[in-house]
Amino acid sequence: GAVVSQHPSWVICKSGTSVKIECRSLDFQATTMFWYRQFPKQSLMLMATSNEGSKATYEQGVEKDKFLINHASLTLSTLTVTSAHPEDSSFYICSARDRIRTQYFGPGTRLTVL
Amino acid sequence: DAKTTQPPSMDCAEGRAANLPCNHSTISGNEYVYWYRQIHSQGPQYIIHGLKNNETNEMASLIITEDRKSSTLILPHATLRDTAVYYCIVSADETSGSRLTFGEGTQLTVNP
Repeated sequence: GAVVSQHPSWVICKSGTSVKIECRSLDFQATTMFWYRQFPKQSLMLMATSNEGSKATYEQGVEKDKFLINHASLTLSTLTVTSAHPEDSSFYICSARDRIRTQYFGPGTRLTVL
Repeated sequence: DAKTTQPPSMDCAEGRAANLPCNHSTISGNEYVYWYRQIHSQGPQYIIHGLKNNETNEMASLIITEDRKSSTLILPHATLRDTAVYYCIVSADETSGSRLTFGEGTQLTVNP
């Protein structure tokens, strides 16, 4: 089956620093990737849609200047949380859409901001 | 995207079939029914999807009613590792660009 990886799996950082999370589709090319966020005991919430070679589309209420998304190749998308604060602590999950439009999810990245 | 309704929780005995219902009475003709599951602290795992016909793969079977207003995910022989939150999602490329909107899902607990 299709495999999506994320790196790092967890990260702890100080308030005010920036953190980059990578999402890779390992065995297929993905023109579209998605970034989700999940707070404890809540469901996944879509943050943005990332299209290869173009600007990401952000969901309402998600600050594009705070959550920078780059989709430079058909197998890699990155999410950078800029000037992270404790309220940004969450489980960040990416997904990649294959050619028959099924989304496969990465294992997630646990971000803790101190 | 059409809204889905799932029971918040279900229990199943190990080795028995788990039948997870989903109501999507406002589904549009071009919307697919997707099922994912999420084991604690992991990313969601794709299970199966369908449009009109029943579907089966190595993980599960998906039964969609003729009017497409509801569906049932069947895990034929549940194991303890199938304990997870199961999400039923309807989505269409044309209207949502494949965006998946996750609801609260059903917490399935498989008991020994």
